[in-house]
Amino acid sequence: KAGVTQTPRYLIKTRGQQVTLSCSPISGHRSVSWYQQTPGQGLQFLFEYFSETQRNKGNFPGRFSGRQFSNSRSEMNVSTLELGDSALYLCASSSTGLAGRDEQYFGPGTRLTVT
Amino acid sequence: LAKTTQPISMDSYEGQEVNITCSHNNIATNDYITWYQQFPSQGPRFIIQGYKTKVTNEVASLFIPADRKSSTLSLPRVSLSDTAVYYCLVETSGTYKYIFGTGTRLKVLA
Repeated sequence: KAGVTQTPRYLIKTRGQQVTLSCSPISGHRSVSWYQQTPGQGLQFLFEYFSETQRNKGNFPGRFSGRQFSNSRSEMNVSTLELGDSALYLCASSSTGLAGRDEQYFGPGTRLTVT
Repeated sequence: LAKTTQPISMDSYEGQEVNITCSHNNIATNDYITWYQQFPSQGPRFIIQGYKTKVTNEVASLFIPADRKSSTLSLPRVSLSDTAVYYCLVETSGTYKYIFGTGTRLKVLA
């Protein structure tokens, strides 16, 4: 069974630009969650989708958005990039859609660098 | 808003038992606690999950005291391959649903 895949793996963008990251969950999983990981703030929850609906959202500004498609693939978008958005963005999939109550399977992440 | 803290680092020797504590507040009776392991350049990997007393699986145990202000991950007989960063994830009933701990860097020595 293929694991969670994220594309691209590395990305360099300039301040003010926008970026879209993609996540393909494990086959059969209907839930996708996104996390930001930085040395200073650690791992922080961004949002959680289940069957194309956002179920939970973390404490991030509206520049961070996401969506989930009918095939459970998910994208997250960050608009008007800031230097502080440089981070490893991780996505995780699970079967039940309750990230805090389910075994989540994480992808390798997308390393975003904003210059 | 729950605040979740862990010791920054721990050293242990092969074959020893390691206990890593996660301190948290404001979690409700049915809020879950999950532990993940992360190696460099990889996403976190699930270890164990529970919401009360004690849970054990083939690799670890999770202890949650009655006051639910902390939880402890217990790794029996660690090996060099257990060298990694360990995170607790606390589900909270508050606004910010899932809170990761600050992470504990475990180094296992030969």
